[in-house]
Amino acid sequence: EVQLVETGGGLIQPGGSLRLSCAASGFSVSDNYMNWVRQAPGKGLEWVSVIYIGGNTDYADSVKGRFTISRDKSKSTLYLQMNSLRAEDTAVYYCARSPRRPDNAFDIWGQGTTVTVSS
Amino acid sequence: SYVLTQPPSESVAPGKTARITCGGDNIGSKSVHWYQQKPGQAPVLVVYDDSDRPSGIPERFSGSNSGNTATLTISRVEAGDEADYYCQVWDSSSDHIYVFGSGTKVTVL
Repeated sequence: EVQLVETGGGLIQPGGSLRLSCAASGFSVSDNYMNWVRQAPGKGLEWVSVIYIGGNTDYADSVKGRFTISRDKSKSTLYLQMNSLRAEDTAVYYCARSPRRPDNAFDIWGQGTTVTVSS
Repeated sequence: SYVLTQPPSESVAPGKTARITCGGDNIGSKSVHWYQQKPGQAPVLVVYDDSDRPSGIPERFSGSNSGNTATLTISRVEAGDEADYYCQVWDSSSDHIYVFGSGTKVTVL
């Protein structure tokens, strides 16, 4: 079965760090464009970061310099390292797949993991 | 940065047709994707590349895209269609490369 499962969310103090994981099954994270999308409480969807098939990465301006996306082909897992966390980073974080082309739709989503940044 | 504009809400009676718009500068030149999100759940792709449906999505869901407006149409609306709907495009020149609309809450009366 093709699926994504996120883990690693939790309560963290402002300025702290957290690493999210997204385990893929049924396909390779290295053969697809893999993304992180977040949703603040009561708000809409916000794209956060992408890692391209070739390994290049891109970030939303709101997280650039603080978040790092990476992948491990052998573990079929996508990661999001989040540093210098702020209250406004509080959200449900989803990983999502965009197959074959960067402008393709996000056809597979994980169930999400909740990050709460608060003292 | 590229902006997608959606109406915040749309109300429709069961059996009728809901039309959700997504406005953007020359959006007709881009591929538009639509997602359905029910409370407490992850988004689900319902239309991709303007008008195609993933397997398992009912034919009642259709899309179109031209000029400055893309539209998601839900025909013969059912109670189970009540959800938030988001449009999305890829814009490599934007600070958010993958741009989402603000979302439209569809309420079935």
